[in-house]
Amino acid sequence: DQQVKQNSPSLSVQEGRISILNCDYTNSMFDYFLWYKKYPAEGPTFLISISSIKDKNEDGRFTVFLNKSAKHLSLHIVPSQPGDSAVYFCAARFQGAQKLVFGQGTRLTINP
Amino acid sequence: SQTIHQWPATLVQPVGSPLSLECTVEGTSNPNLYWYRQAAGRGLQLLFYSVGIGQISSEVPQNLSASRPQDRQFILSSKKLLLSDSGFYLCAWSVGGDGTQYFGPGTRLLVL
Repeated sequence: DQQVKQNSPSLSVQEGRISILNCDYTNSMFDYFLWYKKYPAEGPTFLISISSIKDKNEDGRFTVFLNKSAKHLSLHIVPSQPGDSAVYFCAARFQGAQKLVFGQGTRLTINP
Repeated sequence: SQTIHQWPATLVQPVGSPLSLECTVEGTSNPNLYWYRQAAGRGLQLLFYSVGIGQISSEVPQNLSASRPQDRQFILSSKKLLLSDSGFYLCAWSVGGDGTQYFGPGTRLLVL
């Protein structure tokens, strides 16, 4: 049972435009959501997170939106840069738990 | 600041041989430690996690085992490798709070 889903395996965006990566979850007991970026043959790097009590968190070019009623999470990257080309994973934490549940990842390609 | 080390970076092993991958964390005390595997083109699968010395939780029954002999050391082992054990193995740590995990550089394992 995939509790965290990233339905788009890949996304291609032109440099300078907005990249929107989406994530859906099924369990309302998740209380914390995170986005990670991963380059090939490297470990994932933490990007940005959001608590379930908020609906938006911003850090530079990265903004995460949370829609609890829809159980939907999105990551906006503005403007997109070539270095943003990577696989992006969303993750969620059960309330009080020590482990995360990851989505399958979305490969983002930024075209010049 | 905290750092996490994994070695080796790459490993080629024959089927049936033993395995030992090591992960160490510096700059923090009593971290939660995690082992993940990423199969080719797939997401992150949590294998084991540990909240303290000698405390191991297994997420997926399989050919692997984990041990935590010291506070900041986490070891992934196998007595006899299978072809299906090939993949990219990642170690991660977290310390309480929001549960954000920080990943090591990973070990690429190829079983032939």
